Amino acid sequence: GAVVSQHPSRVICKSGTSVKIECRSLDFQATTMFWYRQFPKQSLMLMATSNEGSKATYEQGVEKDKFLINHASLTLSTLTVTSAHPEDSSFYICSARTTVVGGEQYFGPGTRLTVT
Amino acid sequence: AQSVSQHNHHVILSEAASLELGCNYSYGGTVNLFWYVQYPGQHLQLLLKYFSGDPLVKGIKGFEAEFIKSKFSFNLRKPSVQWSDTAEYFCAVKNTGRRALTFGSGTRLQVQP
Repeated sequence: GAVVSQHPSRVICKSGTSVKIECRSLDFQATTMFWYRQFPKQSLMLMATSNEGSKATYEQGVEKDKFLINHASLTLSTLTVTSAHPEDSSFYICSARTTVVGGEQYFGPGTRLTVT
Repeated sequence: AQSVSQHNHHVILSEAASLELGCNYSYGGTVNLFWYVQYPGQHLQLLLKYFSGDPLVKGIKGFEAEFIKSKFSFNLRKPSVQWSDTAEYFCAVKNTGRRALTFGSGTRLQVQP
């Protein structure tokens, strides 16, 4: 089946620094990728939808200047958490949807971000 | 706005017991419905999905779900659970006007041997 990878799997950074998380579709092309955030014992909350070659669409309440999303190719999207603060600590999950109409979403393994 | 409710937050069952996890959504139009499972330390995996046709959907690992349009529900069932079914289960909905999924809050299933 389709595989989505994320790198890194976990990262610890100091408050005020920036962190980049990569999401790759390994064996399929994804025109659309999604970034979710999962708090402990809670559901996945959609942060933004990224489309290859265009600007991401952010959900209400998500700061686009803080969570920079770039979808430079059909197999790669990146999420950069800028000027990270401890409250940004969370589990970030990406998913990629195949180019087939009505295509299924495949999820990455997630990235655990801890801001100290 | 679309929302998904999973009423059971934590379910504990013994092996061989039957399972039913509730999922209700709020959207009056056409929807696609999904159940995902997240095993400890692993990523989300699709258990089953409903797009159209037979409202009783069979998925992997013996799971099935029934779409009842009049009740806006898509409950997940398994007649006999195993210890290896211990995981977090998420119901998700996608309406035709939106590309992303909306997830329920999840149900943690713990199966005791």
